[in-house]
Amino acid sequence: GAGVSQSPSNKVTEKGKDVELRCDPISGHTALYWYRQSLGQGLEFLIYFQGNSAPDKSGLPSDRFSAERTGGSVSTLTIQRTQQEDSAVYLCASSSTGDYGYTFGSGTRLTVV
Amino acid sequence: GQNIDQPTEMTATEGAIVQINCTYQTSGFNGLFWYQQHAGEAPTFLSYNVLDGLEEKGRFSSFLSRSKGYSYLLLKELQMKDSASYLCAVRGSAGSARQLTFGSGTQLTVLP
Repeated sequence: GAGVSQSPSNKVTEKGKDVELRCDPISGHTALYWYRQSLGQGLEFLIYFQGNSAPDKSGLPSDRFSAERTGGSVSTLTIQRTQQEDSAVYLCASSSTGDYGYTFGSGTRLTVV
Repeated sequence: GQNIDQPTEMTATEGAIVQINCTYQTSGFNGLFWYQQHAGEAPTFLSYNVLDGLEEKGRFSSFLSRSKGYSYLLLKELQMKDSASYLCAVRGSAGSARQLTFGSGTQLTVLP
């Protein structure tokens, strides 16, 4: 596609429920990143996929968080047993090797009530 | 690891010039980026420096000194639409460090 697409744009969920966030990167971009941004805070790195290599999961805050990337394209970030502190905007970005930087999607605003 | 510092807030007047500073400490370095983020929107790429010196792009310029771990973003002829958060980010040098580490952002308010 023309840009990075994320869905849903907004998600309200009850504490303890599982949620799935989707990211569709720019076609041909081999690298995909997930970040989250809490209110008034900077971007916190979560996970990084590069081609067929094993993902860098070093930023995932707990084992309730997981992500996969199917066919080197679409990625899903799953949060199990959501907690109120998981409330944030979850941003996905993609880039191609040698790019100067990332192209971000518009994000998913997750609210856990 | 990486540590990035930038001021939390700045205020400037329409038509003026403003400089937003960023200092960093990294275990490896492969480029410094500036992003602009309007409220409720995704960050958008502004500039990239990997060598020392000044990169100019229209009203925006970015400077890097690798020996000092220092960068600044210079915005000239400020416009109201420049009110946004400006994020400094550093890319590591190898392997999993390829991901960008972001500062907390500088919220710039442009006053009429």
